Amino acid sequence: GEDVEQSLFLSVREGDSSVINCTYTDSSSTYLYWYKQEPGAGLQLLTYIFSNMDMKQDQRLTVLLNKKDKHLSLRIADTQTGDSAIYFCAGSTGGGNKLTFGTGTQLKVEL
Amino acid sequence: DTEVTQTPKHLVMGMTNKKSLKCEQHMGHRAMYWYKQKAKKPPELMFVYSYEKLSINESVPSRFSPECPNSSLLNLHLHALQPEDSALYLCASSQDRRNREMREQYFGPGTRLTVT
Repeated sequence: GEDVEQSLFLSVREGDSSVINCTYTDSSSTYLYWYKQEPGAGLQLLTYIFSNMDMKQDQRLTVLLNKKDKHLSLRIADTQTGDSAIYFCAGSTGGGNKLTFGTGTQLKVEL
Repeated sequence: DTEVTQTPKHLVMGMTNKKSLKCEQHMGHRAMYWYKQKAKKPPELMFVYSYEKLSINESVPSRFSPECPNSSLLNLHLHALQPEDSALYLCASSQDRRNREMREQYFGPGTRLTVT
Protein backbone atom coordinates (compact mmCIF):
# COMPACT_ATOMS: atom_id res chain seq x y z
CA GLY A 1 0.00 0.00 0.00
CA GLU A 2 0.91 3.64 -0.18
CA ASP A 3 3.06 5.28 2.47
CA VAL A 4 2.34 8.92 3.22
CA GLU A 5 4.71 10.52 5.68
CA GLN A 6 4.49 13.78 7.58
CA SER A 7 6.65 15.27 10.29
CA LEU A 8 4.99 14.72 13.67
CA PHE A 9 5.17 18.15 15.20
CA LEU A 10 5.55 21.81 14.23
CA SER A 11 5.67 24.80 16.55
CA VAL A 12 5.40 28.39 15.28
CA ARG A 13 4.83 31.83 16.75
CA GLU A 14 1.57 33.66 16.11
CA GLY A 15 1.81 35.77 12.96
CA ASP A 16 4.55 33.64 11.39
CA SER A 17 4.02 31.33 8.42
CA SER A 18 3.69 27.59 8.93
CA VAL A 19 4.75 25.01 6.37
CA ILE A 20 3.51 21.45 6.77
CA ASN A 21 5.11 18.84 4.52
CA CYS A 22 3.90 15.52 3.16
CA THR A 23 5.77 12.92 1.11
CA TYR A 24 4.12 9.98 -0.60
CA THR A 25 5.14 6.90 -2.54
CA ASP A 26 2.20 6.37 -4.93
CA SER A 27 1.78 9.10 -7.54
CA SER A 28 -1.51 7.79 -8.94
CA SER A 29 -3.76 10.03 -6.84
CA THR A 30 -5.64 12.48 -9.02
CA TYR A 31 -6.54 14.75 -6.13
CA LEU A 32 -4.59 15.51 -2.97
CA TYR A 33 -6.27 16.98 0.09
CA TRP A 34 -5.44 18.74 3.32
CA TYR A 35 -7.63 18.11 6.35
CA LYS A 36 -7.56 19.83 9.76
CA GLN A 37 -8.60 18.11 12.99
CA GLU A 38 -9.09 20.06 16.19
CA PRO A 39 -9.06 18.21 19.54
CA GLY A 40 -12.11 15.99 20.00
CA ALA A 41 -13.53 16.89 16.59
CA GLY A 42 -13.91 15.34 13.16
CA LEU A 43 -11.84 16.21 10.11
CA GLN A 44 -12.44 19.46 8.27
CA LEU A 45 -11.50 19.66 4.59
CA LEU A 46 -9.29 22.72 4.16
CA THR A 47 -8.27 22.60 0.53
CA TYR A 48 -7.28 20.28 -2.28
CA ILE A 49 -5.13 20.31 -5.40
CA PHE A 50 -5.53 18.54 -8.71
CA SER A 51 -2.47 16.50 -9.63
CA ASN A 52 -1.76 18.44 -12.82
CA MET A 53 -1.34 21.67 -10.84
CA ASP A 54 1.82 22.90 -9.14
CA MET A 55 0.26 25.42 -6.82
CA LYS A 56 -3.08 26.49 -5.46
CA GLN A 57 -3.79 29.51 -3.27
CA ASP A 58 -6.88 29.86 -1.11
CA GLN A 59 -6.83 32.93 1.16
CA ARG A 60 -4.17 32.20 3.83
CA LEU A 61 -3.50 28.72 2.48
CA THR A 62 -1.03 27.84 -0.28
CA VAL A 63 -0.63 24.28 -1.51
CA LEU A 64 2.48 23.29 -3.44
CA LEU A 65 2.79 20.01 -5.30
CA ASN A 66 6.07 18.62 -6.64
CA LYS A 67 5.12 15.46 -8.49
CA LYS A 68 8.70 14.65 -9.44
CA ASP A 69 9.75 14.52 -5.79
CA LYS A 70 6.33 13.23 -4.62
CA HIS A 71 6.12 16.10 -2.17
CA LEU A 72 3.09 18.10 -1.09
CA SER A 73 3.13 21.07 1.26
CA LEU A 74 0.63 23.36 2.97
CA ARG A 75 1.66 26.88 3.85
CA ILE A 76 -0.47 28.84 6.32
CA ALA A 77 0.24 32.57 6.25
CA ASP A 78 -0.17 34.73 9.38
CA THR A 79 -0.71 31.68 11.60
CA GLN A 80 -3.20 32.21 14.42
CA THR A 81 -3.81 30.33 17.68
CA GLY A 82 -7.02 28.97 16.12
CA ASP A 83 -4.85 27.15 13.58
CA SER A 84 -3.51 24.87 16.32
CA ALA A 85 -4.64 21.38 15.31
CA ILE A 86 -3.50 18.18 13.64
CA TYR A 87 -3.16 18.45 9.86
CA PHE A 88 -3.48 15.41 7.58
CA CYS A 89 -2.61 15.20 3.91
CA ALA A 90 -4.53 12.60 1.92
CA GLY A 91 -4.69 11.20 -1.58
CA SER A 92 -7.57 9.44 -3.27
CA THR A 93 -6.94 5.92 -4.52
CA GLY A 94 -9.01 2.89 -5.47
CA GLY A 95 -11.32 4.69 -7.87
CA GLY A 96 -11.66 7.74 -5.68
CA ASN A 97 -13.61 6.38 -2.71
CA LYS A 98 -10.54 5.45 -0.67
CA LEU A 99 -8.50 8.15 0.99
CA THR A 100 -4.99 7.33 2.12
CA PHE A 101 -4.06 9.65 4.97
CA GLY A 102 -0.67 10.86 6.01
CA THR A 103 0.57 10.28 9.53
CA GLY A 104 -0.53 13.75 10.64
CA THR A 105 1.35 16.85 11.83
CA GLN A 106 0.45 18.52 15.11
CA LEU A 107 0.74 22.30 14.71
CA LYS A 108 1.16 24.33 17.88
CA VAL A 109 0.89 28.10 17.64
CA GLU A 110 2.49 30.03 20.48
CA LEU A 111 1.88 33.64 21.47
CA ASP B 1 -25.93 22.29 4.47
CA THR B 2 -22.54 20.53 4.58
CA GLU B 3 -23.12 18.83 7.89
CA VAL B 4 -22.69 15.21 8.82
CA THR B 5 -24.17 14.41 12.22
CA GLN B 6 -23.29 11.50 14.48
CA THR B 7 -24.90 10.12 17.61
CA PRO B 8 -24.09 9.51 20.34
CA LYS B 9 -21.16 11.84 20.98
CA HIS B 10 -19.76 9.52 23.67
CA LEU B 11 -20.47 5.84 24.37
CA VAL B 12 -19.22 3.55 27.12
CA MET B 13 -20.08 -0.11 26.71
CA GLY B 14 -19.16 -3.43 28.25
CA MET B 15 -17.75 -6.29 26.23
CA THR B 16 -21.09 -8.14 26.27
CA ASN B 17 -23.24 -5.16 25.25
CA LYS B 18 -24.87 -4.48 21.90
CA LYS B 19 -24.99 -0.86 20.78
CA SER B 20 -25.29 1.14 17.56
CA LEU B 21 -23.65 4.26 16.21
CA LYS B 22 -25.68 6.48 13.90
CA CYS B 23 -24.71 8.87 11.13
CA GLU B 24 -26.88 11.16 9.02
CA GLN B 25 -26.32 13.55 6.11
CA HIS B 26 -28.70 15.57 3.95
CA MET B 27 -26.32 16.67 1.22
CA GLY B 28 -27.59 14.13 -1.30
CA HIS B 29 -24.32 12.23 -1.10
CA ARG B 30 -24.48 8.63 -2.28
CA ALA B 31 -21.23 7.40 -0.71
CA MET B 32 -20.90 7.02 3.06
CA TYR B 33 -17.96 5.82 5.11
CA TRP B 34 -17.00 4.53 8.55
CA TYR B 35 -13.51 5.21 9.90
CA LYS B 36 -11.81 4.24 13.15
CA GLN B 37 -9.28 6.65 14.62
CA LYS B 38 -6.93 6.07 17.53
CA ALA B 39 -5.42 9.02 19.39
CA LYS B 40 -2.85 11.02 17.38
CA LYS B 41 -3.18 8.61 14.43
CA PRO B 42 -4.78 9.04 10.99
CA PRO B 43 -8.26 7.63 10.40
CA GLU B 44 -8.40 4.02 9.20
CA LEU B 45 -11.09 3.16 6.68
CA MET B 46 -13.49 0.43 7.81
CA PHE B 47 -16.43 0.39 5.37
CA VAL B 48 -17.68 2.24 2.30
CA TYR B 49 -21.28 2.27 1.08
CA SER B 50 -22.01 3.40 -2.44
CA TYR B 51 -25.66 3.85 -3.46
CA GLU B 52 -26.69 2.00 -0.27
CA LYS B 53 -24.61 -1.04 -1.17
CA LEU B 54 -21.48 -2.10 0.71
CA SER B 55 -18.62 -1.54 -1.71
CA ILE B 56 -15.54 -1.73 0.53
CA ASN B 57 -14.96 -3.76 3.71
CA GLU B 58 -11.41 -3.36 4.91
CA SER B 59 -11.29 -6.80 6.58
CA VAL B 60 -13.08 -5.50 9.64
CA PRO B 61 -13.96 -8.08 12.37
CA SER B 62 -17.56 -9.27 12.32
CA ARG B 63 -18.24 -7.72 15.73
CA PHE B 64 -18.66 -4.51 13.67
CA SER B 65 -21.71 -4.66 11.41
CA PRO B 66 -22.55 -1.73 9.12
CA GLU B 67 -26.00 -0.95 7.78
CA CYS B 68 -27.22 1.66 5.31
CA PRO B 69 -31.04 1.85 5.65
CA ASN B 70 -31.33 4.67 3.09
CA SER B 71 -29.20 7.21 1.27
CA SER B 72 -29.10 9.60 4.25
CA LEU B 73 -28.42 7.19 7.09
CA LEU B 74 -25.55 4.95 8.07
CA ASN B 75 -25.39 2.77 11.17
CA LEU B 76 -22.62 0.77 12.78
CA HIS B 77 -23.83 -2.06 15.00
CA LEU B 78 -21.45 -3.14 17.74
CA HIS B 79 -21.46 -6.47 19.55
CA ALA B 80 -18.95 -8.25 21.79
CA LEU B 81 -16.30 -5.57 21.40
CA GLN B 82 -12.85 -5.69 22.93
CA PRO B 83 -11.10 -2.95 24.93
CA GLU B 84 -8.75 -2.36 21.97
CA ASP B 85 -11.78 -1.28 19.93
CA SER B 86 -11.94 1.89 22.04
CA ALA B 87 -11.41 4.77 19.60
CA LEU B 88 -13.06 7.70 17.85
CA TYR B 89 -15.43 6.43 15.15
CA LEU B 90 -15.88 8.86 12.30
CA CYS B 91 -18.54 8.88 9.64
CA ALA B 92 -18.05 10.67 6.32
CA SER B 93 -19.98 11.19 3.11
CA SER B 94 -19.17 12.25 -0.43
CA GLN B 95 -20.59 12.49 -3.89
CA ASP B 96 -20.11 9.31 -5.87
CA ARG B 97 -19.35 10.61 -9.34
CA ARG B 98 -18.41 7.38 -11.04
CA ASN B 99 -16.60 9.10 -13.89
CA ARG B 100 -14.66 11.58 -11.81
CA GLU B 101 -12.32 11.16 -8.94
CA MET B 102 -12.95 14.47 -7.15
CA ARG B 103 -15.00 13.23 -4.23
CA GLU B 104 -14.18 15.34 -1.23
CA GLN B 105 -15.30 13.64 1.95
CA TYR B 106 -17.17 15.54 4.64
CA PHE B 107 -16.68 14.18 8.14
CA GLY B 108 -18.92 14.12 11.16
CA PRO B 109 -17.65 15.01 14.66
CA GLY B 110 -17.29 11.36 15.63
CA THR B 111 -18.42 9.09 18.45
CA ARG B 112 -15.88 8.56 21.23
CA LEU B 113 -16.27 4.87 22.14
CA THR B 114 -14.86 3.31 25.30
CA VAL B 115 -15.11 -0.46 25.78
CA THR B 116 -14.73 -1.62 29.38
